[in-house]
Amino acid sequence: ETGVTQSPTHLIKTRGQQVTLRCSSQSGHNTVSWYQQALGQGPQFIFQYYREEENGRGNFPPRFSGLQFPNYSSELNVNALELDDSALYLCASSLLAGSHEQYFGPGTRLTVT
Amino acid sequence: QQQVKQSPQSLIVQKGGISIINCAYENTAFDYFPWYQQFPGKGPALLIAIRPDVSEKKEGRFTISFNKSAKQFSLHIMDSQPGDSATYFCAAKADTGGFKTIFGAGTRLFVKA
Repeated sequence: ETGVTQSPTHLIKTRGQQVTLRCSSQSGHNTVSWYQQALGQGPQFIFQYYREEENGRGNFPPRFSGLQFPNYSSELNVNALELDDSALYLCASSLLAGSHEQYFGPGTRLTVT
Repeated sequence: QQQVKQSPQSLIVQKGGISIINCAYENTAFDYFPWYQQFPGKGPALLIAIRPDVSEKKEGRFTISFNKSAKQFSLHIMDSQPGDSATYFCAAKADTGGFKTIFGAGTRLFVKA
């Protein structure tokens, strides 16, 4: 059984650009949540996907969007990057949408200059 | 009402000592309270969790104490070891619409050898 993997590890983008981050869920998990973790802060919930549908969203603008694929891998897309988008982006997979236990990947460190 | 307040921000403990981290919440709909451990360059990992129907849960050297009336819970790390040096996050989640985990801001623990 493999854990949650994310790619790329690090990424540097310029303000105004677009970025796509990828996540591969733990085997057998059909739910993925994305979090933004600013330096020195706790993770903040962006949204969750369950069976390819958005299942809930935190206080993030629409330029943060996502996709989940039939194999339950997932993407986080951020358009019109702002300097404040610089953070560690974490995905976490769960066995079911209502499961409390979630397993985090190592994250993608995004730097916006 | 969605916040989880965590203290202290940082903590230095001697090897063999007890590390104590405290959290408080407002939303009485929360009914699952996990603690996560995060090492540099890694995603958070679930350490231990508690439901509000019990006042204490112990797993090895880690104990959660829960005070429902005060809406507070704490993590105690007994016999703290240098390998415990990490950032610890308390969190809270509600069963209903339970896709959103709210994290505290984190406590950076350093255990001196």
